[in-house]
Amino acid sequence: GQQVMQIPQYQHVQEGEDFTTYCNSSTTLSNIQWYKQRPGGHPVFLIQLVKSGEVKKQKRLTFQFGEAKKNSSLHITATQTTDVGTYFCAGRRFGLGNEKLTFGTGTRLTIIP
Amino acid sequence: EPEVTQTPSHQVTQMGQEVILRCVPISNHLYFYWYRQILGQKVEFLVSFYNNEISEKSEIFDDQFSVERPDGSNFTLKIRSTKLEDSAMYFCASSPRDSKHRLLNQPQHFGDGTRLSIL
Repeated sequence: GQQVMQIPQYQHVQEGEDFTTYCNSSTTLSNIQWYKQRPGGHPVFLIQLVKSGEVKKQKRLTFQFGEAKKNSSLHITATQTTDVGTYFCAGRRFGLGNEKLTFGTGTRLTIIP
Repeated sequence: EPEVTQTPSHQVTQMGQEVILRCVPISNHLYFYWYRQILGQKVEFLVSFYNNEISEKSEIFDDQFSVERPDGSNFTLKIRSTKLEDSAMYFCASSPRDSKHRLLNQPQHFGDGTRLSIL
């Protein structure tokens, strides 16, 4: 079955440092979504990437979708304490009826003030 | 902003008992989902539901599980005979269709979850 892996599993950074999480799918994706889950919270949608090689920015967050549509990355510039949480990528396969999202293993980000 | 609501927030049940988890999706959404997350692990897809029937389900969603939309607003997940390994956070999610009535490229909106503890 489809697998989506993320590295690293954990990342501890000093406040102000940058952070990157990488997402790799075993199969080509139709699109990829990124979610953030705060400790004790639920996944909250951040963004969706659809096109091969697409890059999108949200303030300090930069999202990329690989040319082969099998990998993606999220980069946070100058982290803040509010960035704490687990970041999940979630991929959707091609084809009608493929509504489900296959979530990645997640990267838990902690910030050292 | 409209939200997906789930009840109860925490359910404690004896092993072997039936449990029903309830969700009210966002009102104009057409696709509904259940996911589960075992503590500290990733979010796992269970089932998707559209047009009053299951459209996709995972291998986790065996005969012990069922879903229902008993009225125009509620979406329920039933576990018939709970096992210890069913202990997890269960999330309901919903998504709309776009102006061309396509599902693709629509985000999923998650509820706060129900923490299910099986004793």
